[in-house]
Amino acid sequence: NAGVTQTPKFQVLKTGQSMTLQCAQDMNHEYMSWYRQDPGMGLRLIHYSVGAGITDQGEVPNGYNVSRSTTEDFPLRLLSAAPSQTSVYFCASSFDRGEMNTEAFFGQGTRLTVV
Amino acid sequence: LAKTTQPISMDSYEGQEVNITCSHNNIATNDYITWYQQFPSQGPRFIIQGYKTKVTNEVASLFIPADRKSSTLSLPRVSLSDTAVYYCLVGAYGGATNKLIFGTGTLLAVQP
Repeated sequence: NAGVTQTPKFQVLKTGQSMTLQCAQDMNHEYMSWYRQDPGMGLRLIHYSVGAGITDQGEVPNGYNVSRSTTEDFPLRLLSAAPSQTSVYFCASSFDRGEMNTEAFFGQGTRLTVV
Repeated sequence: LAKTTQPISMDSYEGQEVNITCSHNNIATNDYITWYQQFPSQGPRFIIQGYKTKVTNEVASLFIPADRKSSTLSLPRVSLSDTAVYYCLVGAYGGATNKLIFGTGTLLAVQP
């Protein structure tokens, strides 16, 4: 059982380049989200999805795009990388159980540096 | 989600019991209290969740007083590998990962 898999683990980009961070989960979870974590700070929500074909913006969506064509995959696209996007990116997924909070599963993260 | 307050950092030694308290004065009736653990260079990992009184699993215990305005995560006999950031989350969000709000957490440093 792989859980949530993120690729790549590390990436260095030049300012203005674009790239896609991959996230895949094999647990048939409805919810998937992307977070960024800057040094000494908590996680901030970028984009999220409540199911295939449905996405929405989070707290810090500017400069990022997402799509959810399948239940398993939720890629995050950086359109034109900027140094301010240097961060660690985490993907998370979870079942929807109504009121009862369910466990969120996180990937290992992608450490991105923009120079 | 209810606002939470927890210490920025704590120090401990191997073999000691560690208690991390989280304040959540504005907790709502339907809210659960959930704790996550994050090791360096890894994503957060669910530890424990509770609604009232005491919950225990193989990793930790969670104590919640009757008024539910605070909660205490208890880690028995910590080891060096328990060095991590611990986050307290309060809310009723079902499976909505978009509603998870992580503050800065408590950095627990365990020394030999």
